[in-house]
Amino acid sequence: QKEVEQDPGPLSVPEGAIVSLNCTYSNSAFQYFMWYRQYSRKGPELLMYTYSSGNKEDGRFTAQVDKSSKYISLFIRDSQPSDSATYLCAMNDYGGATNKLIFGTGTLLAVQP
Amino acid sequence: NAGVTQTPKFRILKIGQSMTLQCTQDMNHNYMYWYRQDPGMGLKLIYYSVGAGITDKGEVPNGYNVSRSTTEDFPLRLELAAPSQTSVYFCASGAEQETQYFGPGTRLLVL
Repeated sequence: QKEVEQDPGPLSVPEGAIVSLNCTYSNSAFQYFMWYRQYSRKGPELLMYTYSSGNKEDGRFTAQVDKSSKYISLFIRDSQPSDSATYLCAMNDYGGATNKLIFGTGTLLAVQP
Repeated sequence: NAGVTQTPKFRILKIGQSMTLQCTQDMNHNYMYWYRQDPGMGLKLIYYSVGAGITDKGEVPNGYNVSRSTTEDFPLRLELAAPSQTSVYFCASGAEQETQYFGPGTRLLVL
């Protein structure tokens, strides 16, 4: 079993839709959870960063962490064609000496105008 | 503030050739990382460093070497390039207990 599982998609939605992207994980020691956005032929760009359980909102983006279910989500409201990208979840453990991140394989999102 | 910069952007190598991928960060981060990204395989950690003079192997270190003589620079060396090293290489840096910031990547083709 992989430490982090992520549906690769592709996920195609119409403009204006609410998008839900998800990851599950197996290591209960994970405490820091991130979402990266990667446009085609570009480097990953940090989108959202949360510590432990709960919600965090930033504009049209909301990150949710449910540690009891080992499940994290990223919601995108009023999705735009410019949101079309691959979304990578990543996580690491609190107090880890190396700060190494474990990444999901990414979900490809296409927002159709 | 340029963040993480990588050179070159693209390179074609012949089998058996060597090259160095350059990475520089200007955020004074202690932690630096090298990843490779293959289609459908996600990001694989090659090597990482927790500070100048300290390096360690990641998940897929074979065929690569690194050095960290300064806080800013973390070059990745490929010796005896093989077709299996065809990939996109990303350098990243981060502060302690925080997340990582990525460079734009180097696309490498080994023929």
